[in-house]
Amino acid sequence: DIQMTQSPSAMSASIGDRVTITCRASQGINNYLAWFQQKPGKVPKPLIYAASSLESGVPSRFSGSGSGTEFTLTISSLQPEDFASYYCVNHDSYPLTFGGGTKVEIK
Amino acid sequence: EVQLVESGGGLVQPGGSLRLSCAASGFTFLNHDISWVRQAPGKGLEWVAAIITSGVAYYADSVKGRFTVSRDNSKNTLYLQMDSLTAEDTAIYYCTKDHSLYPWGQGTLVTVSS
Repeated sequence: DIQMTQSPSAMSASIGDRVTITCRASQGINNYLAWFQQKPGKVPKPLIYAASSLESGVPSRFSGSGSGTEFTLTISSLQPEDFASYYCVNHDSYPLTFGGGTKVEIK
Repeated sequence: EVQLVESGGGLVQPGGSLRLSCAASGFTFLNHDISWVRQAPGKGLEWVAAIITSGVAYYADSVKGRFTVSRDNSKNTLYLQMDSLTAEDTAIYYCTKDHSLYPWGQGTLVTVSS
């Protein structure tokens, strides 16, 4: 099975900061990499699919990049509503696999 | 509106069994893969199992041999039969659609404890 290694597991950042989260796959996943945001007590919300395609309604400050086995989620200017946990997921083929998550907290 | 509604969670003793259901509406159920994803308290997301349109099922190693996913296309419903439960299976269980994993239901809580 493909393993997804996400880093960092937690980070502190300030409003306006540029935030980068990385996800590494143990083998190539044909760019079938998605990113989700989850706030406490809420259902995960999709942000990015196919490594770099923005889901409808997601602010443009979110972007995804990467290919092969290395992928990145970038928030260009962190907003108060962005403090949450973020997860990458390999959605190439079953079994699907999530990264361990990144909790973005207020500095 | 596409909707997924989970049910069947509850408190069960270690070694026990439970069957979860996921009722789907707003789309042609038989044409879509459906997955179960779980989240233990304070932990990350874990994909558990999926059943594709042909009826073939896939499982995470952590549940293989203990969990069985099935679907009833006539009832637009997905099931997860969970046997030999342990404390490590305590989690909110969500159902979600396709490889895109969207949308998600609100989840059903399974607690394994004596």
